[in-house]
Amino acid sequence: GAVVSQHPSWVICKSGTSVKIECRSLDFQATTMFWYRQFPKQSLMLMATSNEGSKATYEQGVEKDKFLINHASLTLSTLTVTSAHPEDSSFYICSASTRMTGELFFGEGSRLTVL
Amino acid sequence: KNQVEQSPQSLIILEGKNCTLQCNYTVSPFSNLRWYKQDTGRGPVSLTIMTFSENTKSNGRYTATLDADTKQSSLHITASQLSDSASYICVVSARGGSYIPTFGRGTSLIVHP
Repeated sequence: GAVVSQHPSWVICKSGTSVKIECRSLDFQATTMFWYRQFPKQSLMLMATSNEGSKATYEQGVEKDKFLINHASLTLSTLTVTSAHPEDSSFYICSASTRMTGELFFGEGSRLTVL
Repeated sequence: KNQVEQSPQSLIILEGKNCTLQCNYTVSPFSNLRWYKQDTGRGPVSLTIMTFSENTKSNGRYTATLDADTKQSSLHITASQLSDSASYICVVSARGGSYIPTFGRGTSLIVHP
């Protein structure tokens, strides 16, 4: 089946630094990628939707200057948490879908801890 | 507004017992409904995907049903195992555009020995 790879799986950084998380579709072309964050024992919260070659669409309340999303190719999307603060510590998950089938595949998630 | 409601919010059962999770949705026009299992600290893993014409689909001990008329789905887990402890998420996609999915808040299942 289709595989979506996320990297890194976990990262610890100091407050004020920026962190980049990559999401790759390994065996299919992802026309759309989604980014979510998830706090402990809570459901997935959609942050933004990105289509290849165009600007991401952010959900209400998500700061686009804080969470930079780039979907430069059909197999790669990146989420950069800029000037990270401890409250940005969370589990970030990406998913990818194809326009052909609409199937949705998830990455394994990235645990971000900001000290 | 597209919505997906799941119930119960949490469920505790004994190992070996069966259980059923519910998902009601208002997503339109309907494309497909998926059930995912999410272990703590992991990404969701697909259990089943159902389209409009499908009523039942099984994946091992997991059986999903879909009633497109009442816009309801259920996920039945048979002979539960400790490894079934996880969050189960119902996701419904609408036809057209980028198939942007609508997520339920999930049901947290705990299986006790």
